[in-house]
Amino acid sequence: QQPVQSPQAVILREGEDAVINCSSSKALYSVHWYRQKHGEAPVFLMILLKGGEQKGHDKISASFNEKKQQSSLYLTASQLSYSGTYFCGTEKTSYGKLTFGQGTILTVHP
Amino acid sequence: EAGVVQSPRYKIIEKKQPVAFWCNPISGHNTLYWYLQNLGQGPELLIRYENEEAVDDSQLPKDRFSAERLKGVDSTLKIQPAELGDSAVYLCASSLSTEYNEQFFGPGTRLTVL
Repeated sequence: QQPVQSPQAVILREGEDAVINCSSSKALYSVHWYRQKHGEAPVFLMILLKGGEQKGHDKISASFNEKKQQSSLYLTASQLSYSGTYFCGTEKTSYGKLTFGQGTILTVHP
Repeated sequence: EAGVVQSPRYKIIEKKQPVAFWCNPISGHNTLYWYLQNLGQGPELLIRYENEEAVDDSQLPKDRFSAERLKGVDSTLKIQPAELGDSAVYLCASSLSTEYNEQFFGPGTRLTVL
């Protein structure tokens, strides 16, 4: 079952923050986050395993709330290079099938 | 380190014609995936290989789609015959078989069926 992402689109000015959410109705083993720029391949950002951990990567971090089966991606002090479509992918089991959400379009303006 | 290589990058064919896509995964990655991505949507898994074995092909329309991964390295995805609704981007990805399952995607093949 496909995870649900919100919001569908976000428009920011450089330096502003954004949060993208990913929710599932099923118990999850992991949540993956990818960014895809137009006409390019999805690029892996980070993975969170069940256990409620939080991860960070430069000014991009994410959390996974196992009780709510929800993950959030936090982008702070956004840069023009952050523009693209962000996808979450969820696994129900280890080595399981990765099911992607419909994506969130992030646009950062100067 | 070389990334996932796919060819061709673009393909335009008429309906009912056959078409094939090729993928070379990252060296040492024993897991290979084929995804389909429609415009404005996330990737959808078609088939997953562990070495030469297709371990998940439940989403592959087997009446017209076929795939192979000979020798557990390169893979080919074929459509025969193609239909108008097959127009999409076909992505190949690879990963190491670990619990983290970090997938590396190729640039994809954009298929247009006329």
